[in-house]
Amino acid sequence: DAKTTQPPSMDCAEGRAANLPCNHSTISGNEYVYWYRQIHSQGPQYIIHGLKNNETNEMASLIITEDRKSSTLILPHATLRDTAVYYCIVRVYSSASKIIFGSGTRLSIRP
Amino acid sequence: NAGVMQNPRHLVRRRGQEARLRCSPMKGHSHVYWYRQLPEEGLKFMVYLQKENIIDESGMPKERFSAEFPKEGPSILRIQQVVRGDSAAYFCASSPPGGAEVREKLFFGSGTQLSVL
Repeated sequence: DAKTTQPPSMDCAEGRAANLPCNHSTISGNEYVYWYRQIHSQGPQYIIHGLKNNETNEMASLIITEDRKSSTLILPHATLRDTAVYYCIVRVYSSASKIIFGSGTRLSIRP
Repeated sequence: NAGVMQNPRHLVRRRGQEARLRCSPMKGHSHVYWYRQLPEEGLKFMVYLQKENIIDESGMPKERFSAEFPKEGPSILRIQQVVRGDSAAYFCASSPPGGAEVREKLFFGSGTQLSVL
């Protein structure tokens, strides 16, 4: 699976858009980009995923560059409840499919 | 549709005792994953099971740890003769059957916090 690189920490003002980058320069053509987050003391939560087109759902938007070597997760109007560790994961299907979480980005939302 | 249910939420054991952690996946999900998270550390994969089969146990410690997912009932993570280093949050996740895109979308439970005295 492709390795991902994320900044260890970021902060954002409440109400502003939070843009979380992820580098995955070795991504293969059949690998999806997934984002999860983990709020303190809770289980991780799926946010969004995509292959090559930009995606949007009720939680966030995912922008994938044309060469697919990087992506950005956008939380359009960050709130204090968005304070969490955000994980970017790239995965290709295999018969023994486990998801490996890296260190992620610790996002702090300031009032 | 209830989410992934883990119990107990908190479990206290003395050194040498056994710990049994239970996980009921979401309805219709046939894949279960167990992860461990030590204090202030990241999530570490332990084991991946489908009904009655262990698919990948590459993250399981070689001794004292075992997991099962029987045909009926919840998945069980069993830790024998617990030691203080086993103190951690243990998370279970499930995913539905289907193609890769669907199966990679995991739904996590709230975890079991194991404390070994």
